[in-house]
Amino acid sequence: EAGVAQSPRYKIIEKRQSVAFWCNPISGHATLYWYQQILGQGPKLLIQFQNNGVVDDSQLPKDRFSAERLKGVDSTLKIQPAKLEDSAVYLCASSLVPLSSYNEQFFGPGTRLTVL
Amino acid sequence: QQPVQSPQAVILREGEDAVINCSSSKALYSVHWYRQKHGEAPVFLMILLKGGEQKGHEKISASFNEKKQQSSLYLTASQLSYSGTYFCGTEYGLGNEKLTFGTGTRLTIIP
Repeated sequence: EAGVAQSPRYKIIEKRQSVAFWCNPISGHATLYWYQQILGQGPKLLIQFQNNGVVDDSQLPKDRFSAERLKGVDSTLKIQPAKLEDSAVYLCASSLVPLSSYNEQFFGPGTRLTVL
Repeated sequence: QQPVQSPQAVILREGEDAVINCSSSKALYSVHWYRQKHGEAPVFLMILLKGGEQKGHEKISASFNEKKQQSSLYLTASQLSYSGTYFCGTEYGLGNEKLTFGTGTRLTIIP
């Protein structure tokens, strides 16, 4: 079974530029998550999708971050414009059964973003 | 509110045991444990639900104290492969799958 795919793996941009990350979850997984993990910290949930609908985006900085999940499969996360404090690893995860606590999340390898 | 993990870091010799704790100030519905090796994605270890259900790897054991809103992960007879940072993720609402992760416990196993 293929895992969660993410691209690019690394990205370096200057502040005020824009950047986009892509995620392809495990086939058949209904729920998709985007996390931000700053060095030395635990992952912080940015947005959670169930199929192509947003379940939770309470911690997404909506003035600069946006995300979409077209057709309930792939997802993109965009930052525009980027700030220095956005430097982090952006993790995508997916889980099979929607809205179930008994549900492990499968993480992708992440995209390491450096904002200069 | 972010759960608090303790200890922040621990160094063990191969074969020794360790306990990692996760505490919340809010009532928990479930606790999820993940291990992350340097530069890699977090990997699922265990889920503990309010009421006693558990799901996870056979060689990993954990407990969930609902009264104290705490969970502990027990690593026995540690192996070199156990090295990494352990995160607990806490779920506060029934079935909403939203996890709030702690700051992590860095475990180093030395031969």
